[in-house]
Amino acid sequence: AQTVTQSQPEMSVQEAETVTLSCTYDTSESDYYLFWYKQPPSRQMILVIRQEAYKQQNATENRFSVNFQKAAKSFSLKISDSQLGDAAMYFCALSFYNQGGKLIFGQGTELSVKP
Amino acid sequence: EADIYQTPRYLVIGTGKKITLECSQTMGHDKMYWYQQDPGMELHLIHYSYGVNSTEKGDLSSESTVSRIRTEHFPLTLESARPSHTSQYLCASSESGAGSTDTQYFGPGTRLTVL
Repeated sequence: AQTVTQSQPEMSVQEAETVTLSCTYDTSESDYYLFWYKQPPSRQMILVIRQEAYKQQNATENRFSVNFQKAAKSFSLKISDSQLGDAAMYFCALSFYNQGGKLIFGQGTELSVKP
Repeated sequence: EADIYQTPRYLVIGTGKKITLECSQTMGHDKMYWYQQDPGMELHLIHYSYGVNSTEKGDLSSESTVSRIRTEHFPLTLESARPSHTSQYLCASSESGAGSTDTQYFGPGTRLTVL
């Protein structure tokens, strides 16, 4: 079975500090994409960052970066210099090449940012 | 934010009513998806479409139906709403073809309450 697991239901970080959200997944496929999506309260879900499984280099987008460990099937998200606007539900997701783009989501981690 | 729209944003309706949740996108994406999400929980795929006249059921069984007569439009219908249908419904779309990265763009969601 292909699954995505986020073991931290809630996380908290002080403004300007760094926080890491964990995600593990299980699949026997070798070609896939991994995503982190952000869902702010009552607002639209948006893409934070994407990683292609064939790329060894970790993806980065400004203050957001990932630690992709393919052998360990781990895909954590690091948020540096946390801002109040980073408070949201964060979902890790997985999709497979040539399987229509369907996403498998984790359970989500609710991140709060303290001023 | 992505050009994908959902109406209504909120709907409170009585048991037994027929409802249609609208979703439209202006990005010309072939692939569209419907997800069901309970508050603070993960997303579950209930329907998807790879193009006009293509519809498939997702991983979570749903009593709803969908249609895809136009590329930009992917409505979801419940013939007879029940309290168990109370949830948030998210629509998404993604591009297809060479170079596609499976990135999905989400609408703002419809929060449905069935009394």
